[in-house]
Amino acid sequence: DGGITQSPKYLFRKEGQNVTLSCEQNLNHDAMYWYRQDPGQGLRLIYYSQIVNDFQKGDIAEGYSVSREKKESFPLTVTSAQKNPTAFYLCASRRLRGAGSQPQHFGDGTRLSIL
Amino acid sequence: DQQVKQNSPSLSVQEGRISILNCDYTNSMFDYFLWYKKYPAEGPTFLISISSIKDKNEDGRFTVFLNKSAKHLSLHIVPSQPGDSAVYFCAASALRGGATNKLIFGTGTLLAVQP
Repeated sequence: DGGITQSPKYLFRKEGQNVTLSCEQNLNHDAMYWYRQDPGQGLRLIYYSQIVNDFQKGDIAEGYSVSREKKESFPLTVTSAQKNPTAFYLCASRRLRGAGSQPQHFGDGTRLSIL
Repeated sequence: DQQVKQNSPSLSVQEGRISILNCDYTNSMFDYFLWYKKYPAEGPTFLISISSIKDKNEDGRFTVFLNKSAKHLSLHIVPSQPGDSAVYFCAASALRGGATNKLIFGTGTLLAVQP
């Protein structure tokens, strides 16, 4: 089955630690995205990538870093510089080539909590 | 500045009746609109979309209406079923700006369908 896999589902971090969230897709999608959801808020874009070895900052990139070494993978690192990292993190992907508009498809998310 | 607004945080509807979820936007550059459905601790699932060249798009029990002059869209679910109970997010993007497909999300409406 094709899809987007995020791991782990739950993650705990001590203050001052960096932590990396995994996102893998086997949909052969070109673009990948990371969002953050906080209670009572919509999804906010952290980083996105349209092609391997290239990525762009979203609206709330401070304290986060990403890499895109393979088309299938787009890991997100939450660094110690992110002052309020507790949130639900969602990864998405989208096919760019082909006619018409294509929706983004989402993984099931990783909930990050500070110990 | 919230570019996509869902002013009703919650909505309760009887099974079999119509559910109407509303969304307003402020950016006139938006030309592609989507609705996502989200269950707790899961990623959003794409439901239906509409391009600004249309004013209606229908898919089974789901219909999205777009009123460009009012910068308003709505999602109609008929008939509503208990399994439709979830948070519904409206999202918008400006595809004319390129293939970035940055989605701007509303804050969501929690729909509860009562048996």
